[in-house]
Amino acid sequence: LAKTTQPISMDSYEGQEVNITCSHNNIATNDYITWYQQFPSQGPRFIIQGYKTKVTNEVASLFIPADRKSSTLSLPRVSLSDTAVYYCLVGPHSGYSTLTFGKGTMLLVSP
Amino acid sequence: NAGVTQTPKFQVLKTGQSMTLQCAQDMNHEYMSWYRQDPGMGLRLIHYSVGAGITDQGEVPNGYNVSRSTTEDFPLRLLSAAPSQTSVYFCASSYSMGGVQETQYFGPGTRLLVL
Repeated sequence: LAKTTQPISMDSYEGQEVNITCSHNNIATNDYITWYQQFPSQGPRFIIQGYKTKVTNEVASLFIPADRKSSTLSLPRVSLSDTAVYYCLVGPHSGYSTLTFGKGTMLLVSP
Repeated sequence: NAGVTQTPKFQVLKTGQSMTLQCAQDMNHEYMSWYRQDPGMGLRLIHYSVGAGITDQGEVPNGYNVSRSTTEDFPLRLLSAAPSQTSVYFCASSYSMGGVQETQYFGPGTRLLVL
């Protein structure tokens, strides 16, 4: 699995847009990028996945440049309830492999 | 669907005691796994199973045993608890072991304190 690097923590205020960048320099051709969100005292939950360019859903957007060596999770107009740890995972889209969760990025949203 | 359920939610053990953390899912998922989460360490894979009767070790298997007799249940056993096993334990399941393609569904966690 490709090694990923994310900031340990980020701070924001309500209503702001938050961008969390994940570096994955050794991403393989068949690797996809997936993000999970973990609220305090809960298990992680899937939020978004992509391969290239841009993916958007009701929770977030994922921007992936052409070289795919990094990706950016974008959370529009965050609220206090977006305070959570965000994990970037990179790995094959199919096949026989386990997932590796790094330490993630702790996002703290303040009033 | 209840999704992934875990019991107990919280447990205190003395060093040397044994216990079983229960995990069940009602989504007919083939793949189930156990993680532990320690402060500043992220989630680390303990054991996983790709179907009934099939289990394998993850990154940190020492001190833990698992078995998978049914599709629904995947218990994690601590044979002789140690303070180093104080952690939050998460069980997860997915349709198959298909890399990042397969969305992992996590349980609410079990907080274990070993004195």
